[in-house]
Amino acid sequence: KAGVTQTPRYLIKTRGQQVTLSCSPISGHRSVSWYQQTPGQGLQFLFEYFSETQRNKGNFPGRFSGRQFSNSRSEMNVSTLELGDSALYLCASSLEAGDREEQYFGPGTRLTVT
Amino acid sequence: AQSVAQPEDQVNVAEGNPLTVKCTYSVSGNPYLFWYVQYPNRGLQFLLKYITGDNLVKGSYGFEAEFNKSQTSFHLKKPSALVSDSALYFCAVRNAYGNNRLAFGKGNQVVVIP
Repeated sequence: KAGVTQTPRYLIKTRGQQVTLSCSPISGHRSVSWYQQTPGQGLQFLFEYFSETQRNKGNFPGRFSGRQFSNSRSEMNVSTLELGDSALYLCASSLEAGDREEQYFGPGTRLTVT
Repeated sequence: AQSVAQPEDQVNVAEGNPLTVKCTYSVSGNPYLFWYVQYPNRGLQFLLKYITGDNLVKGSYGFEAEFNKSQTSFHLKKPSALVSDSALYFCAVRNAYGNNRLAFGKGNQVVVIP
């Protein structure tokens, strides 16, 4: 079974630009979560989607948004990029929301903002 | 709010010696606890979880963890460390209330010395 895939793997953007990251969950998984990983703040929860609905949101500004499609694929968007948005963005999928199963993580998208 | 503490930044251990990575947690209600490992430039790889039942949980690659409710701890252990176990280890917690929002510790760098 294919794992969680994320595209692109690496991205370089300039301050003020916007970016869209994509995540394809494991086949059959309906819950998708996003996390930001930085050396200073560690792993922080961004948001969770289940059945095209945002179920949970972390403490990030409104510049961070996401959505989920009917095939469970998800995208996250960051507008008006800041230098501090440079991070590894990880997507994770699981079968359902809030069940006993673990989340499976993708390889991440490394975003660099210059 | 849920949180995890991993008190040590780095754990050094000689190959063949026992490895322990410490984790304490705080969560409302019953905890779901997880350990993940991250290799350089990779996503997080699931090792094991505690949901309910036996306090000693066995996982991948010879790792195990012990859930201690009174001490709110979930320490990761391996009886005999390998050089290939050198990586970044994360403990994570969420409650059982129906969402997949994980709170992660800051991570522990494990260095296994040949």
